Amino acid sequence: ILNVEQSPQSLHVQEGDSTNFTCSFPSSNFYALHWYRWETAKSPEALFVMTLNGDEKKKGRISATLNTKEGYSYLYIKGSQPEDSATYLCAFKGQGAQKLVFGQGTRLTINP
Amino acid sequence: DGGITQSPKYLFRKEGQNVTLSCEQNLNHDAMYWYRQDPGQGLRLIYYSQIVNDFQKGDIAEGYSVSREKKESFPLTVTSAQKNPTAFYLCASTTGYSNQPQHFGDGTRLSIL
Repeated sequence: ILNVEQSPQSLHVQEGDSTNFTCSFPSSNFYALHWYRWETAKSPEALFVMTLNGDEKKKGRISATLNTKEGYSYLYIKGSQPEDSATYLCAFKGQGAQKLVFGQGTRLTINP
Repeated sequence: DGGITQSPKYLFRKEGQNVTLSCEQNLNHDAMYWYRQDPGQGLRLIYYSQIVNDFQKGDIAEGYSVSREKKESFPLTVTSAQKNPTAFYLCASTTGYSNQPQHFGDGTRLSIL
């Protein structure tokens, strides 16, 4: 069974501060790495799909980097706002796989 | 608007009873998935289907069954053989293209009476 780990499990950040968290995945047989944001009482929403080593993606104040050789991805949030409070999920897809393997998520709370 | 609709939002099951969770999408997606979420855990794959009339077991298929008779519909039955069915269930779909993200429904919370 593939192991996808996210750290930390939960995080409290002051409004206006920047933060980041990690997704670790198998470094062999990589195909794609997905990031999703899951706000309470809503459905998970896709943030990024990353496929190339060294890839960096940005969406507003949120960005992500990818290192497939060492098996990790970082998600960064700049100038956190209350609406950033959510659980952030990463998911790994291997070569030839038809399914995603999800990490357990990082629960982010922004304190006003 | 296109999307995925899961129903009901809350469902209660008596011991020994089968229940069916509905998932419908109007995104014209080929692939559909069922996940289970338990507290402190990530999404675990129950079943998935890449095409109509075909589906595969995920990591935790025991005690569950599915059908895919129509492209837009992928119902999940939680059978009495599933000993610990209390959980949050999410349905997702995606196109046939490999690098596309999954789209999710709002989920169904199943509880045992």
